Amino acid sequence: DIQMTQSPSSLSASVGDRVTITCRASQSISNRLNWYQQKPGKAPYLLIYAATTLQSGVPSRFTGRGSGTDFTLTISSLQPEDFATYYCQQSYKITYTFGQGTRVEIK
Amino acid sequence: QVQLQESGPGLVKPSGTLSLTCAVSGDSISSGNNWWSWVRQPPGNGFEWIGEIYHGVGTNYKPSLRSRVSISIDKSNNQFSLNLSSVTAADTAIYYCARLVGGTRSFDYWGQGTLVTVSS
Repeated sequence: DIQMTQSPSSLSASVGDRVTITCRASQSISNRLNWYQQKPGKAPYLLIYAATTLQSGVPSRFTGRGSGTDFTLTISSLQPEDFATYYCQQSYKITYTFGQGTRVEIK
Repeated sequence: QVQLQESGPGLVKPSGTLSLTCAVSGDSISSGNNWWSWVRQPPGNGFEWIGEIYHGVGTNYKPSLRSRVSISIDKSNNQFSLNLSSVTAADTAIYYCARLVGGTRSFDYWGQGTLVTVSS
């Protein structure tokens, strides 16, 4: 299986901060990388697909970059509703695999 | 608006079979370019993809679960199901059904999830 490693595992930030989360694949996955947001007790919510494309309805403060093995998710100005856990997922190979998550907490 | 809703027992005995159904509205599971998938999340942990089905004629399963899992489609009721046999405590998780977009293989719609506990 392709291993997906996210960093950091958690971070503390304030409203208005710029936040960047990194996801690294154990082999090249081209641009086959998706990002999700999950809030406690809720299902995940698709933010970005194909590494850089914003899902319909997702605010433009979310940006995805990268290709190959290294990817980032950036929130340009953190909002109160953005405090959640974020996951990356590769869709290059079946079995799809997810990162372990990055928890974004309020400082 | 596409909606998915899981249903099934919340408690399964060890060595038994876990059976869940996902009712889909707002999309047809027997047409289009989408796959229909099951994903699970052990409490407090990350996600594990279980398997997927396409129009009822194609399936893919996680290799480590293949001997115990089957996914099927009920076209008349627009729903799909998961069966996982010989369960152990390690199968305790929140089980989600989700729509998998055919091109990007991203999960764009999810059910709310259902907690299944394996315990005697």
